[in-house]
Amino acid sequence: DTAVSQTPKYLVTQMGNDKSIKCEQNLGHDTMYWYKQDSKKFLKIMFSYNNKELIINETVPNRFSPKSPDKAHLNLHINSLELGDSAVYFCASSAYGDSPLHFGNGTRLTVT
Amino acid sequence: RKEVEQDPGPFNVPEGATVAFNCTYSNSASQSFFWYRQDCRKEPKLLMSVYSSGNEDGRFTAQLNRASQYISLLIRDSKLSDSATYLCVVNGAGKSTFGDGTTLTVKP
Repeated sequence: DTAVSQTPKYLVTQMGNDKSIKCEQNLGHDTMYWYKQDSKKFLKIMFSYNNKELIINETVPNRFSPKSPDKAHLNLHINSLELGDSAVYFCASSAYGDSPLHFGNGTRLTVT
Repeated sequence: RKEVEQDPGPFNVPEGATVAFNCTYSNSASQSFFWYRQDCRKEPKLLMSVYSSGNEDGRFTAQLNRASQYISLLIRDSKLSDSATYLCVVNGAGKSTFGDGTTLTVKP
């Protein structure tokens, strides 16, 4: 059973489009995250949710809007995609804020 | 100054070598510490937690020095399969901050 699953695995789209990435975890964790890994492989936190409540928003452009319908799901919607949004986006979860993270296998977004 | 700093490497070592990675962090209030491993085009995976008393898992030893705000990872008897990027992670206030990673290549 996959612990943290995200879809799609690959996403290729044109500038200006709107796209969504979905994430689900079956670990019973309270906290979920979105991380962005750019072309230089640097991994940066974007958002953190605890039990559906936004905890961390790391100065991400408001074109990015996370949504957590319940504590097992955290989706990411991106409006008006730009070339610089091309990256791998990882969803993750943890039992509580300072415990280890469990990552999904990533969504490779390419904006052309 | 970055919150978490790692030597980026790359480290290129022969099989059987011992290699050490270091990491420093700036926030003295940080509460928990980890090493992750990331293979090419894969997600990061937890390698081990890091404690002040030091902890060992087979060929891997992790150490935390809170006074110096320093974390280390020692890999003994390197295997080809150890080739990966190693990320140190510092947690505090519900946030995990990743170092930029150290790339290790183990050669035959």
